[in-house]
Amino acid sequence: GESVGLHLPTLSVQEGDNSIINCAYSNSASDYFIWYKQESGKGPQFIIDIRSNMDKRQGQRVTVLLNKTVKHLSLQIAATQPGDSAVYFCAENEEYGNKLVFGAGTILRVKS
Amino acid sequence: DTEVTQTPKHLVMGMTNKKSLKCEQHMGHRAMYWYKQKAKKPPELMFVYSYEKLSINESVPSRFSPECPNSSLLNLHLHALQPEDSALYLCASSQVEGRTEAFFGQGTRLTVV
Repeated sequence: GESVGLHLPTLSVQEGDNSIINCAYSNSASDYFIWYKQESGKGPQFIIDIRSNMDKRQGQRVTVLLNKTVKHLSLQIAATQPGDSAVYFCAENEEYGNKLVFGAGTILRVKS
Repeated sequence: DTEVTQTPKHLVMGMTNKKSLKCEQHMGHRAMYWYKQKAKKPPELMFVYSYEKLSINESVPSRFSPECPNSSLLNLHLHALQPEDSALYLCASSQVEGRTEAFFGQGTRLTVV
């Protein structure tokens, strides 16, 4: 399953499938990007990050891809599990200072 | 210890009240943040402190007053709030240099009546 856009879309996937969550960022000066997961009633939880000198980074079951040409970021989750159900946000950090700004978010629902 | 602790977890206040939100971290982070989050929206940056000095104020109304008494503590003083200020207030911390992830607390759920 795949989601596009900045208006809190919902992505529904079957347990065991791969998920792709997309994010378009706006500031060409941003040089550091983070994906966060937020479960209901909790604060955002770090998933994975990537710096602007890279175009791909892998973690455990997650991969982040960065395309600076079109200012696009994606999070791929392999073998999606029910515990992955949450809202996912990308965040960008501008080149100077510590201004961490969040994108609109995507709701991920995993069906068993 | 990668924990950011926020108190209280829930707060109900009247429009004429004065209250404070508190945030504490012991990770040695010298950047601390306040965010406001409305339901089904992303966290919205309010303030950033770097080395205990206010470095970013995102045009936040003066009824919100931040304070960083030392490198481990961050407060948000609230006065004469409006019902539309009801939201989840999140605190976060990170290293200042080197671009690393920000760690978030669980937030304070604020209701203004």
